[in-house]
Amino acid sequence: DARVTQTPRHKVTEMGQEVTMRCQPILGHNTVFWYRQTMMQGLELLAYFRNRAPLDDSGMPKDRFSAEMPDATLATLKIQPSEPRDSAVYFCASGLVRAATSTDTQYFGPGTRLTVL
Amino acid sequence: EDQVTQSPEALRLQEGESSSLNCSYTVSGLRGLFWYRQDPGKGPEFLFTLYSAGEEKEKERLKATLTKKESFLHITAPKPEDSATYLCAVQAMSSSNTGKLIFGQGTTLQVKP
Repeated sequence: DARVTQTPRHKVTEMGQEVTMRCQPILGHNTVFWYRQTMMQGLELLAYFRNRAPLDDSGMPKDRFSAEMPDATLATLKIQPSEPRDSAVYFCASGLVRAATSTDTQYFGPGTRLTVL
Repeated sequence: EDQVTQSPEALRLQEGESSSLNCSYTVSGLRGLFWYRQDPGKGPEFLFTLYSAGEEKEKERLKATLTKKESFLHITAPKPEDSATYLCAVQAMSSSNTGKLIFGQGTTLQVKP
């Protein structure tokens, strides 16, 4: 049963510390998305990659957030320095996006719950 | 601007009491409309994709329908295990090369025994 995995599941850190979240997309998927979910804002798209290349990161605060895909099996989201307002659940999703077809379903991981004190 | 609005925000039902959740959308050309279920502490779980007005899809007690302006998720004779937040998302034609989705705020459903 193929699924997206994320680590860590929970992270508590102090303001100013660096936070790294990792995601392993479903094997064979060519697109990876990073979302942030809060009660107030719901699901917000932060960034996404196609075949490991960044397509759009306009949803991220550029000064502190960075996203990369070192290889096809790993996507990372880093926050440095972290702030209390970054407290949220961060989701990774992957999908097989093919412009010629309509099969663009995104499959979500279990999320990383981040608390910045 | 592409937008998705879900209503109601919260819905409480008695077990067996059928109802519908609404997802209204404004998008410059719809490529697809997606329904997800999210349980507390978990990631959204894919339920359905609808592509054109008039299309319907069913899964157990759930049926999703689509018109040119909105989608409904009908829940027939719900059970307590149907309690969850239901998210609607749309993909615009302009995003066909990216797969980007625009999500609504969700409807939190509680089914009491």
